[in-house]
Formats: sequence, structure tokens, C-alpha cells
Amino acid sequence: EVQVVESGGGLVQAGRSLRLSCAASGFTFGDFAMSWVRQAPGKGLEWVGLLRSKPYGGTTEYAASVQGRFSISIDDSNTIAYLQINSLKTEDTAIYYCARKISTGGWYFDYWGQGTVVTVSS
Amino acid sequence: DIQMTQSPSSVSASVGDRVTLTCRASQDISRWLAWYQQKPGKAPKLLIYAASYLQSGVPSRYSGSGSGTEFTLTISNLQPEDFATYYCQHASSSGLAFGGGTRVEIK
Repeated sequence: EVQVVESGGGLVQAGRSLRLSCAASGFTFGDFAMSWVRQAPGKGLEWVGLLRSKPYGGTTEYAASVQGRFSISIDDSNTIAYLQINSLKTEDTAIYYCARKISTGGWYFDYWGQGTVVTVSS
Repeated sequence: DIQMTQSPSSVSASVGDRVTLTCRASQDISRWLAWYQQKPGKAPKLLIYAASYLQSGVPSRYSGSGSGTEFTLTISNLQPEDFATYYCQHASSSGLAFGGGTRVEIK
């Protein structure tokens, strides 16, 4: 069964760093691209960044709003994806979702985790 | 960057109604569009991809159409479990973008 499970969220002071994890089961991130999406309290969905699968170079792209502070990587087993967040800002407060790209063409996401909550205090 | 605009921001409807939601792109995106449903406290769920392809397991009362800059999601015979917020999403070489969402409420 395919699942993605996020973890690592919590209450953090502004300016600090945090690393979120996304554990995959039933597939590997080496074979599937993935993305991080966040949702601020009471707001809509905001794309944060993506990681292409290894056959497509394993490269990353980020939203302009987080470029330079956010970084996506995967572990050597290709079963955990990370979102490194540096220089946290209060506006980074959100639920962070990890999502797997569908196997066919187009950047659409068929499996999502339950999300991990990040709260940034001033 | 391409901007996605959804309308209306909310709609009230009754069980059994037919509801049509709209998503407009700021430039031609061909058929590179998906629709998601999100219920409170839950992750988004993929309904439609490539503008009109029904994701596996999604009821056939959901349908998507459109191309270029204007797209619609239609829910026929609205069911109690369909009351939720719906988002459109586009992806391009420069990244992904979600619309602001349309909340479907019980009348």
C-alpha cells in the first residue's frame, strides 16, 4: 500500500532552522517525483518546492517565496524526503504536506500525507 | 508566473444539485490542470487531472472540462460528502500554482 507520512513539525522560534521528513512506503522517491505544499491557517494551498525523480535528474525547483531558504533532498535509501527550512519566519507557520507525483505525465499528486504542523513564534 | 483564479470563492447548494466551479489561468496552459478536494483537517485529494481525466476511485459525478485559460469542475447530483473546498492546480516549467479555492457549502 502506498503511503506518505510527514513528521518533524513543531513550535520553533523565528530565525531558527527545521527539517521536515516525509517517509514513503510502497514506493521509492527515486522512482517518483514529489512535492511539498503548505497551507497557512485558514488559507489555501501554496506550492513550496518539488524534487524530480532520478531518471529526470533528481533536480529541485522552489517557489520564489522560499527560494534560498528551503531545500529538498532524499536519503540514500530513497524512502525519506526532507524539507530543510532555514531562517524561519512567522509567515512560514503552516501545515506542510508531502505529496507524490502521479506516474503518468503532468505534475499532479495522487498520494498526500496527513501533514505536519510548523508554528513559528516571534 | 502563471496565476490561477477560481470563482466563485464559495457557493451554497443542496444535495442533488449540479454545481459548476470555474478556474481561470492568466495565460494559455493547454490542458495542464488538476482539481483537488479538501475537507477540513484533511489532506487534498486528487479528483481530476489533465483537465478531464477522472482519477481512479473518484465517483463519476465529478467531471472536468476546458482548455487554454478556462476550466470547469462539475459535480452532478451533489452528495453530502461533496461539501468541501475545491482547488485547481497548474504546473509549468517554472513551478506549480494553486487557485485560491472554492468552498461548496450546504444551503
